[in-house]
Amino acid sequence: GQQLNQSPQSMFIQEGEDVSMNCTSSSIFNTWLWYKQDPGEGPVLLIALYKAGELTSNGRLTAQFGITRKDSFLNISASIPSDVGIYFCAGQLPNFGNEKLTFGTGTRLTIIP
Amino acid sequence: EADIYQTPRYLVIGTGKKITLECSQTMGHDKMYWYQQDPGMELHLIHYSYGVNSTEKGDLSSESTVSRIRTEHFPLTLESARPSHTSQYLCASSEWGYRSGGTQYFGPGTRLLVL
Repeated sequence: GQQLNQSPQSMFIQEGEDVSMNCTSSSIFNTWLWYKQDPGEGPVLLIALYKAGELTSNGRLTAQFGITRKDSFLNISASIPSDVGIYFCAGQLPNFGNEKLTFGTGTRLTIIP
Repeated sequence: EADIYQTPRYLVIGTGKKITLECSQTMGHDKMYWYQQDPGMELHLIHYSYGVNSTEKGDLSSESTVSRIRTEHFPLTLESARPSHTSQYLCASSEWGYRSGGTQYFGPGTRLLVL
């Protein structure tokens, strides 16, 4: 099946630092989504991207849909303790009616005191 | 905020028992999905549905079954639970639409432990 390479796998940062993570694939995607998941909870949608080159912000979060449609990145500025969790990217292949998502392996964000 | 609900949130059950995990959404979404996820790992699609009376198997083989008799309800059943079924099960839904149809909203999940 399709694969999304998400990196880094984990990040250890100090509060206030900026964070950057990305997803890449050999396949073209129609939609890129970024989710955050807290332990024992379901993923919560952070940002949805529908167009190549699109740059979208949600508070301190900014995500971009790569112009090749094969990658996306997520930036978090001035991290705070509640940013801790696992971040997943997900992509939807360009087949109308096939809304199955391919998920990345996740980036675990930890804030060290 | 997505209106999608899962019950129970946690379930501990013995081997051989039949269980049903409930999932309901109030957004009127036609499409619904079940994922299986081990702690901290990626999500694997096990079932999906495009609408009432539609069910399809996902990318990961699963011994569970699903039904879709009502738009808002998509229960998952295990006829005979085994320890290998221990995992977190996540339900999601999405609407039709070329652009927005890929955007899935997740429930809080059910954590299943089979002893």
